[in-house]
Amino acid sequence: SQQGEEDPQALSIQEGENATMNCSYKTSINNLQWYRQNSGRGLVHLILIRSNEREKHSGRLRVTLDTSKKSSSLLITASRAADTASYFCATDAGNMLTFGGGTRLMVKP
Amino acid sequence: DTGVSQDPRHKITKRGQNVTFRCDPISEHNRLYWYRQTLGQGPEFLTYFQNEAQLEKSRLLSDRFSAERPKGSFSTLEIQRTEQGDSAMYLCASSLANQDEAFFGQGTRLTVV
Repeated sequence: SQQGEEDPQALSIQEGENATMNCSYKTSINNLQWYRQNSGRGLVHLILIRSNEREKHSGRLRVTLDTSKKSSSLLITASRAADTASYFCATDAGNMLTFGGGTRLMVKP
Repeated sequence: DTGVSQDPRHKITKRGQNVTFRCDPISEHNRLYWYRQTLGQGPEFLTYFQNEAQLEKSRLLSDRFSAERPKGSFSTLEIQRTEQGDSAMYLCASSLANQDEAFFGQGTRLTVV
């Protein structure tokens, strides 16, 4: 079963625009992680936010976590064509990372 | 390259054959995870090790799947009597400890014909 569910499933934007992806989950977590995956490749770790944190930044990435709503968002600012990929949230409840189905982002040049 | 390494990158096998995949984690990482990913889906957890101990294996898809990490370093995932439904990307990840970032390898893409 999938713990995290991303929304939207697909997103198409123009280069320079911001992209926001949302993730909802069901049970208590220790942390939530965001990953990126280019087609047919492995997953690249982007950012980890712990359950006692509310917001975290890394370069053009901004992640928020609302444990009361069991949700997180990933914001990519000033998107580039190279940001085109699938983005997954993964929740860590202690023993394993449980992934959602991902958001497929397309950034048009 | 000090990242997670998986071998082979691609495997084509005939239905009914056994296959084995290898994962070399980042050297100081204690935890090692195996995931399966089918097209258009997120990775699905299979099993994980803390050093050489396999602490969770109830999510292995059937008794045809088994994994080992004999010396707490590299790990192997074996699928016996492969079926066409086993065709997928098999991903390995490692982390230093509980609640840390997990780093993934490039995966082994299995095609069962």
